[in-house]
Amino acid sequence: DSGVTQTPKHLITATGQRVTLRCSPRSGDLSVYWYQQSLDQGLQFLIQYYNGEERAKGNILERFSAQQFPDLHSELNLSSLELGDSALYFCASSVVSRGNNEQFFGPGTRLTVL
Amino acid sequence: TQLLEQSPQFLSIQEGENLTVYCNSSSVFSSLQWYRQEPGEGPVLLVTVVTGGEVKKLKRLTFQFGDARKDSSLHITAAQPGDTGLYLCALDSWGKLQFGAGTQVVVTP
Repeated sequence: DSGVTQTPKHLITATGQRVTLRCSPRSGDLSVYWYQQSLDQGLQFLIQYYNGEERAKGNILERFSAQQFPDLHSELNLSSLELGDSALYFCASSVVSRGNNEQFFGPGTRLTVL
Repeated sequence: TQLLEQSPQFLSIQEGENLTVYCNSSSVFSSLQWYRQEPGEGPVLLVTVVTGGEVKKLKRLTFQFGDARKDSSLHITAAQPGDTGLYLCALDSWGKLQFGAGTQVVVTP
């Protein structure tokens, strides 16, 4: 158990819909990262927040957005869903923001778009 | 184009055999991380290699960082079914992890 929790574990929805994925970081971790894992693209970095502020962006679509709340939990919002958005979405957390630091991954949310 | 190329993509071996997986790039890294991901779980950090030529051991796993810091390998001795998983190498780029495509290892009893 990494200490990072993600809900829900599974999500099935239809094209065009909007969903919210939730992540609670390890106690004491200020950084939260979101990753997408699909068969064709592998594990890809989406976005990072540090203590409530956006710190880095990766290949995140404009239809996707995230935020980190004062209690440090984070939400990833996916809208106008397409079939290709079906993937595993992982949240990770770490103590420090930059440099070599260990990221602890949650168990992921499996999103299926029908 | 992947910054990190991992090979092979898939490896199936019998319990007790040895295996090696590779992670290569045309770029020089300051450090490299290796993760293992088991089905239904997130990746777990195994090791970080920093110095060219460095060798790190974690029980039956041996990690090597190339002298030129462009490649790395993971060798598993006497593999066990519990070693089954997706092995990923990754670069830490200012906190963003860039992963290779991974090597899926299956160890059968």
